[in-house]
Amino acid sequence: KQEVTQIPAALSVPEGENLVLNCSFTDSAIYNLQWFRQDPGKGLTSLLLIQSSQREQTSGRLNASLDKSSGRSTLYIAASQPGDSATYLCAVRLRMDSSYKLIFGSGTRLLVRP
Amino acid sequence: DTGVSQNPRHKITKRGQNVTFRCDPISEHNRLYWYRQTLGQGPEFLTYFQNEAQLEKSRLLSDRFSAERPKGSFSTLEIQRTEQGDSAMYLCASSLEPSDGNQPQHFGDGTRLSIL
Repeated sequence: KQEVTQIPAALSVPEGENLVLNCSFTDSAIYNLQWFRQDPGKGLTSLLLIQSSQREQTSGRLNASLDKSSGRSTLYIAASQPGDSATYLCAVRLRMDSSYKLIFGSGTRLLVRP
Repeated sequence: DTGVSQNPRHKITKRGQNVTFRCDPISEHNRLYWYRQTLGQGPEFLTYFQNEAQLEKSRLLSDRFSAERPKGSFSTLEIQRTEQGDSAMYLCASSLEPSDGNQPQHFGDGTRLSIL
């Protein structure tokens, strides 16, 4: 059974700091891994999707890497801002699962202090 | 592209009542997913549709839960005889799936259900 773990569960940093969020998964047979942002009481906003054949994806100040063989992904946020405060979730899609459903971690709650 | 729309945003009801939620996916998206999210946890898969066909249901979806997607457009999720444990955020997502499985899922803002 695929398990997705995110560490740390919560993180508080001063504005301007670069930070790394971690995601690990137990089954390396994935189609892709997706990073989401969730604001309190809201739905999920897709940030980056990394296909299994890719090593990283970048969007603005965000960079996500994927090491499928070790079952790990990291989300790097450069020059953090208070507006980055949210919960960040990673999710994987299994290769052998034709439903393409996402299996999520529990998220990392990020607070960027002004 | 107006995004995935879910209604209502909040639902408060007494234990034992029936509730129904609606999801309008992004037009032309052939797949529609329902997830449930409890406080401090990531979303968990409930069920999904390929067009109008419901192809998989999680064991989380007890017989009190039913979902439909008539005509392959909007979807409804009904919970009968609600229980305290049903309190959660119910999220809908849609995607346009060719065969490679590499399309992102787009989520709505969810319906937050509170059982009194």
